[in-house]
Amino acid sequence: DQQVKQNSPSLSVQEGRISILNCDYTNSMFDYFLWYKKYPAEGPTFLISISSIKDKNEDGRFTVFLNKSAKHLSLHIVPSQPGDSAVYFCAAEDIQGAQKLVFGQGTRLTINP
Amino acid sequence: DSGVTQTPKHLITATGQRVTLRCSPRSGDLSVYWYQQSLDQGLQFLIQYYNGEERAKGNILERFSAQQFPDLHSELNLSSLELGDSALYFCASSMRTSGVGTGELFFGEGSRLTVL
Repeated sequence: DQQVKQNSPSLSVQEGRISILNCDYTNSMFDYFLWYKKYPAEGPTFLISISSIKDKNEDGRFTVFLNKSAKHLSLHIVPSQPGDSAVYFCAAEDIQGAQKLVFGQGTRLTINP
Repeated sequence: DSGVTQTPKHLITATGQRVTLRCSPRSGDLSVYWYQQSLDQGLQFLIQYYNGEERAKGNILERFSAQQFPDLHSELNLSSLELGDSALYFCASSMRTSGVGTGELFFGEGSRLTVL
């Protein structure tokens, strides 16, 4: 049972434009959401997070939006840069429960010059 | 550099064999998590330890076991290896002091296991 889904395995965006990565979840108990970025031959690195009490969190070029009613979150990167090319993982957690961080399958983002 | 160290980086072995993957968490982190990433899959949670005690279990096979030692390093033991065990195994640590929840995890570079 895939509780966190990233339905787009890959995304290609032109440099300078906006990149939008999407993530859906099924478990209504999830109350904390994170995005991780992974370069080849490296471990995932934390990018940005959002608590379920918020609907938006912004950090520089990165903004995460949460729509609880739709059980959907998205990561916006603007403007996109070549260094943003990586695999992005969405993750979710039920902090109060014993459930651990659950990851999606990842979306490979390619920024074209 | 996340501060989480995993060894070995690469490991090639045969079916039926046993291997041990090692992880040193970031200084001060009490929680260690193990994740498996198979080809084109997301990261699957295996097991968590907090200050030496098992805290949570995910989809970890009975052939796999783990432990966290008093110095907080952790080892993941994989036995009776099968072809399907070939994957990237990530260790992560967390600064959460209660051991409840996960929040931000700091990942190592992973150990790539190839079973032939």
